[in-house]
Amino acid sequence: AQSVTQLDSHVSVSEGTPVLLRCNYSSSYSPSLFWYVQHPNKGLQLLLKYTSAATLVKGINGFEAEFKKSETSFHLTKPSAHMSDAAEYFCVVSEVFRVSGTYKYIFGTGTRLKVLA
Amino acid sequence: NAGVTQTPKFQVLKTGQSMTLQCAQDMNHNSMYWYRQDPGMGLRLIYYSASEGTTDKGEVPNGYNVSRLNKREFSLRLESAAPSQTSVYFCASSGDGSGNTIYFGEGSWLTVV
Repeated sequence: AQSVTQLDSHVSVSEGTPVLLRCNYSSSYSPSLFWYVQHPNKGLQLLLKYTSAATLVKGINGFEAEFKKSETSFHLTKPSAHMSDAAEYFCVVSEVFRVSGTYKYIFGTGTRLKVLA
Repeated sequence: NAGVTQTPKFQVLKTGQSMTLQCAQDMNHNSMYWYRQDPGMGLRLIYYSASEGTTDKGEVPNGYNVSRLNKREFSLRLESAAPSQTSVYFCASSGDGSGNTIYFGEGSWLTVV
């Protein structure tokens, strides 16, 4: 079974400094990986996804993530944090349900990003 | 441009009451899901439906039932609400294939007193 570990439950950065949110996964085959963002009292919005094409994936709002198979990591980065980036971020891996053949999405426990003025 | 729509957005129930959360998607997706979100636990899958007419249990199905009414609609029912079911509930849908994005509704905040 696949799993996702987000290594930090909280991250604080100053506005204008780089952001690094860490995610490790376990997988028995080539996974599809996603990052979602959730602003307070809102639903989840897709930031970016990896589906075995380019290992460096660019997403919305200046975020990107690099798939590193040797390290089983999919860390999310942004060169310069903005106040509007304050939110909770979820790393997600998808795997197939054996019986039904549909896909399930396994969520990490989330990283809350705080951006300081 | 509706995507996934779920209702109600907020609900307060008394212990033992029942209620149904409604969900509809307009993206012609086969797969639909119900998750609950609790602080520090990420999202946990309650039930999912791979296609119209089929439903299966996820990680935390106890105390819930679901109905896949048609391809668009997937409802979640609490037959006898308990305080442990106080949570935020998200409906979601996805297309076929591992790389498909899962799309979420705006969430339903449920408090059981």
